[in-house]
Amino acid sequence: EAGVAQSPRYKIIEKRQSVAFWCNPISGHATLYWYQQILGQGPKLLIQFQNNGVVDDSQLPKDRFSAERLKGVDSTLKIQPAKLEDSAVYLCASSLADRNYEQYFGPGTRLTVT
Amino acid sequence: AQTVTQSQPEMSVQEAETVTLSCTYDTSENNYYLFWYKQPPSRQMILVIRQEAYKQQNATENRFSVNFQKAAKSFSLKISDSQLGDTAMYFCAFVPMYSGGGADGLTFGKGTHLIIQP
Repeated sequence: EAGVAQSPRYKIIEKRQSVAFWCNPISGHATLYWYQQILGQGPKLLIQFQNNGVVDDSQLPKDRFSAERLKGVDSTLKIQPAKLEDSAVYLCASSLADRNYEQYFGPGTRLTVT
Repeated sequence: AQTVTQSQPEMSVQEAETVTLSCTYDTSENNYYLFWYKQPPSRQMILVIRQEAYKQQNATENRFSVNFQKAAKSFSLKISDSQLGDTAMYFCAFVPMYSGGGADGLTFGKGTHLIIQP
């Protein structure tokens, strides 16, 4: 069974530029999560989708971050414009709809904003 | 809101020794899951062990076991016969379970950097 796929693995941009990350969850997983992991901290949930609907985006900085999950499968997370403090690893995870206690993580995207 | 606290930023032990990582949490929920995740330098989050709050028996997975104290809201991880490959960041995490369904993201602690010395 293929795992959660993410791309790119690394990205370096200058502040005020925009960037997008892509996630492909495990086939059949209705729930998709984006986490932000700042260096030296644990991951923090940014947004959670159930199929193509948003379940929780309370910690998403909506003035600069946006995310979508068209057709309830792949998802993209966008930052525009980026700030220095957005430097972090962005992790995508997925789970079956009623099994959020079994979340499978992708390898993450390391973003560096200079 | 839930909080998870890991008070040991870094620990170092010799290979083959036993080590215990600490975790405390705070929640008003009665039903929930607790987890220990391992994150090596590759950044891939790997589930080490999971504990369901309604189960009194402590979870065990090979060399990994937990000491779950629900009343004290404590959830420690014990690694026996530690190996060089156990070197990684270890995160304690929490997720509530709702009887009416629904799902939440995980709440993580800040992590403990475990170093196994040869």
